[in-house]
Amino acid sequence: GAVVSQHPSWVICKSGTSVKIECRSLDFQATTMFWYRQFPKQSLMLMATSNEGSKATYEQGVEKDKFLINHASLTLSTLTVTSAHPEDSSFYICSARGPGLTLETQYFGPGTRLLVL
Amino acid sequence: GQQLNQSPQSMFIQEGEDVSMNCTSSSIFNTWLWYKQDPGEGPVLLIALYKAGELTSNGRLTAQFGITRKDSFLNISASIPSDVGIYFCAGLFFSGNTPLVFGKGTRLSVIA
Repeated sequence: GAVVSQHPSWVICKSGTSVKIECRSLDFQATTMFWYRQFPKQSLMLMATSNEGSKATYEQGVEKDKFLINHASLTLSTLTVTSAHPEDSSFYICSARGPGLTLETQYFGPGTRLLVL
Repeated sequence: GQQLNQSPQSMFIQEGEDVSMNCTSSSIFNTWLWYKQDPGEGPVLLIALYKAGELTSNGRLTAQFGITRKDSFLNISASIPSDVGIYFCAGLFFSGNTPLVFGKGTRLSVIA
């Protein structure tokens, strides 16, 4: 299957700092990327959908000024958690679709575990 | 948001047994995807289904896209310890950038 990478795989930061998570599609062009958040023993919760070169569409209840998403190229999307607080601690997973793949198929990155102290 | 009804929520089975789990929806989908997630990892795509009635296998895994387009099942035959994990179904009514709709997952435990 197609490969999606995330960096870093885990990060610990102090409250009030900002954290950037990168998501890359390694062997295909991702026209659409999705960012999810997952709490322990729960399903994935969609945060936002982003298309290359345009503003992300955020799900209801997700603060766009807090979770900044940039999809600047067909292989890279970034999620920046601004002024992180302990309640932002979670497992963040990106996912991607694109031409060259069956469009209805979606591949996930390995996730980034964020711990805010 | 919208969710699929996935059952069972959890299963404890003996190694070698067959496993079956399913997802149902009140809405129709034109794609069903099944993923497995190991602890601390992202979901890995197991099987993708694109046509109503389609039956697809991937090794010991078999999944079917229901005729009504509102359900799908996943079977695992002759389970082994590495089958342990959380299995998610996901449905998609594809229209541009529509996101997947996920089930809540089935947590599978295999007793050796």
